[in-house]
Amino acid sequence: DFQMTQSPSSLSASVGDRVTITCRASQSISSYLNWYQQKPGKAPKLLIYVASNLQSGVPSRFSGSGSGTDFSLIISSLQPEDFATYYCQQSYTTPYTFGQGTKLEI
Amino acid sequence: QVQLQESGPGLVKPSQTLSLTCTVSGDSISSSSFYWTWIRQPAGKGLEYIGRIYTSGTTNYNPSLKSRLTISLDTSENQFSLKLSSVTAADTAIYYCARYSVILAGYDDWGQGTLVTVSS
Repeated sequence: DFQMTQSPSSLSASVGDRVTITCRASQSISSYLNWYQQKPGKAPKLLIYVASNLQSGVPSRFSGSGSGTDFSLIISSLQPEDFATYYCQQSYTTPYTFGQGTKLEI
Repeated sequence: QVQLQESGPGLVKPSQTLSLTCTVSGDSISSSSFYWTWIRQPAGKGLEYIGRIYTSGTTNYNPSLKSRLTISLDTSENQFSLKLSSVTAADTAIYYCARYSVILAGYDDWGQGTLVTVSS
């Protein structure tokens, strides 16, 4: 299986901060990397697909970059509703695997 | 707007079979643009791909679960189902059904999730 490693595992930040979460794949996955946001008691929500494409309806303060093995999710200016857990996920080869998650806290 | 809804028992005894159904509304499960997928999440932990099925009936299973797993499609009811046999406490989790978009190469719609507890 392709292993996905996120860092940091948790992150404390404030409203208005710029935040970067990174995801590293154990092997090259080209650009087949997605980012999800999950709030407590809810299903994950797709934010970014194929590394850098913003899903419809997602605020433009979210952006993604990277290719190969190293990827980043950037939130340019944190809003109160952004405090959640973020997961990366590779869709290069099955079984599609997720990172362990990054919990973004105030 | 597509909606996915999981249903099934919330409590399963060890060694028995876990059975869940995902009912899809607002989209046809026969669409060639999507794979219909099961994903689970133990309490307080990360997400694990279980398996998926395509409109043709072609399946793909996580190798770690393959020997115990069956995913099937019911196009007449617009549903797909999961059966996981010989369950143990390690199978206790929130089970999500999700739609994988071939175009986006990601899971663009999810059910709300259903908690399944394995306990005697």
